[in-house]
Formats: sequence, C-alpha cells, structure tokens
Amino acid sequence: SQQGEEDPQALSIQEGENATMNCSYKTSINNLQWYRQNSGRGLVHLILIRSNEREKHSGRLRVTLDTSKKSSSLLITASRAADTASYFCATDGKGVISGSRLTFGEGTQLTVNP
Amino acid sequence: EAGVAQSPRYKIIEKRQSVAFWCNPISGHATLYWYQQILGQGPKLLIQFQNNGVVDDSQLPKDRFSAERLKGVDSTLKIQPAKLEDSAVYLCASSPRRKQAGGGYGYTFGSGTRLTVV
Repeated sequence: SQQGEEDPQALSIQEGENATMNCSYKTSINNLQWYRQNSGRGLVHLILIRSNEREKHSGRLRVTLDTSKKSSSLLITASRAADTASYFCATDGKGVISGSRLTFGEGTQLTVNP
Repeated sequence: EAGVAQSPRYKIIEKRQSVAFWCNPISGHATLYWYQQILGQGPKLLIQFQNNGVVDDSQLPKDRFSAERLKGVDSTLKIQPAKLEDSAVYLCASSPRRKQAGGGYGYTFGSGTRLTVV
C-alpha cells in the first residue's frame, strides 16, 4: 500500500515564485526522500533526509521533516519553467535489515508558467 | 558513472501474450528493484533483490509475473500472460547496500519500459 500522501495533487505557479509540497506518512521511517519525474521519464533522486534530521538544503531545495507529525515538506525557491514535473515523496521504513525499501506516494504535479 | 539501463523503451502486446523486460543496474549496487507505475499514480514495488536473492516479492502477482537476477547483476522481469491492467511503466532501480541501521541511499532509476496491453 502507498504510505506517503502528497498535498496538493497539483500546483500551478509563475516563474520566480516558491513552490511548497507536503507529504504525510503513517509508519516509522529510517529516512524520507524526494524524487522528481519529468513526463515519460524515470525518477530522479533530489534529496534524502534522515529520521534524526529536521531540515536539509540542496541548492534551491529545502526539505523539512517532522517525525512527531509524520510529515515532510519540499520547498523549491525561485522556481523555473524547467522545474515543471511530478514530485514524489518516498519513505524508507524501519524494520528492513538489508537494503532499503522505498514506498512512494501519489505525487504532486507542479507546473511553472513562464 | 553509467546509469541504470533498461530495455526495451516501449512495448505493445496483445492480452494473453508474454513480455520480458531487462535491467542492468549501476555497477556495484547490491540492491535492485522493479517498480510498476500506472499512469497518474506513484510507483509500486513489485520485487526487491539483494545480490541475486529475493528480499521482498510480497506485491508481485506471482501467477503471471516472474523475475530473476542471475549472478547478482542483470535482471529480467516477465509477464505471462499479460492482462489489460498490466499497462504501465515498469521501472528498474538500484542502490548500494545499507551500511548501518538508520542509514540509506537514494535510488537510481532507469528510464523505464512503457508497456501497453491491447
């Protein structure tokens, strides 16, 4: 079953604005990851935040994690038309001994208008 | 480094036919995953390999789907016979082995195989 649930399902903004996407999950995690998927392509790993971290930055991306609320947010600052894509959160659940096992949400479709 | 290679890129078959997908992960990545992504949905894990052993195949429809990872490198996913609801993108991903509890790595995904069953 899907663990992560993204909100909103779709987001449309103007170039230069910030985009915020939220993710909620249900069970304890080792880490939470965000991926981007351009139409018809594979997923690209954006950022990983561990369960003992609260905030992480990578370029124009900022991710927060609140394990007490079982939620995360992805902020893209100064958005560009090239950021148009689907964004997925994925949780790496606890209890997996070997390897990791990501469970993906349904995604947020972001459209950045020039 | 080279990415995850998948083939074919597209496949159209009739229902009840069989089809096979191939994946070559990143060299040295111990863990290989096959995901199914239906249009408009997030990827769903079908099977996970650690080297050449199956770690999790709980969501694999075993009556029609099979997968193998010979010698712990390349992998093939087969569907026989295909149904209309199998139309989806089949994604292969790989990741290094987790070194410690609580750690983790991002996955590297291939471009996927888009399957259409008519």
